[in-house]
Amino acid sequence: NAGVTQTPKFRVLKTGQSMTLLCAQDMNHEYMYWYRQDPGMGLRLIHYSVGEGTTAKGEVPDGYNVSRLKKQNFLLGLESAAPSQTSVYFCASSYKEPAQEKLFFGSGTQLSVL
Amino acid sequence: GQNIDQPTEMTATEGAIVQINCTYQTSGFNGLFWYQQHAGEAPTFLSYNVLDGLEEKGRFSSFLSRSKGYSYLLLKELQMKDSASYLCAVTDSNYQLIWGAGTKLIIKP
Repeated sequence: NAGVTQTPKFRVLKTGQSMTLLCAQDMNHEYMYWYRQDPGMGLRLIHYSVGEGTTAKGEVPDGYNVSRLKKQNFLLGLESAAPSQTSVYFCASSYKEPAQEKLFFGSGTQLSVL
Repeated sequence: GQNIDQPTEMTATEGAIVQINCTYQTSGFNGLFWYQQHAGEAPTFLSYNVLDGLEEKGRFSSFLSRSKGYSYLLLKELQMKDSASYLCAVTDSNYQLIWGAGTKLIIKP
């Protein structure tokens, strides 16, 4: 049972480069999320999706784009990376909205932007 | 603004009991979660409270007082594997999850 799978696990980018993080879940969850985690701060929501073909902005969406073409996949894109985007990124999913439903997290992606 | 406060770091001894506190100030309340996160790993769900009182699950218990905006996670019979960060998260009136910065728990032999 794979759960939530994120790729890659580590990445180093130069300022201005682009990249895509891939998240896949095999639990048939409707809701998917992208978070970033920085030292001394709580998890911050970047974008989320409430179902296939839908996306919405979270707390810190600037500089990121997302797509959910298939229910099981949620992609996070950085079009022009900046040092401020150095962070650990987590994808998560849930069957229902997160108010009363636990989240299942991927193993994270450590991104460094030089 | 919305705010969740947790101690940054705590130290406890193997076999002992530790209580990790979480206080919150949010626009409404629709539930409180505790997650465990080992270093370099993903957060994993521990508990959920929506009504006042104590929820017990094995060695871990979670308490909620909505009137005080307060919760705690109680860990009994501490084991070395309990060394981790513990994240408190609250769902506000808009059903958005607000996360605390986490409490790093260090267990000493």
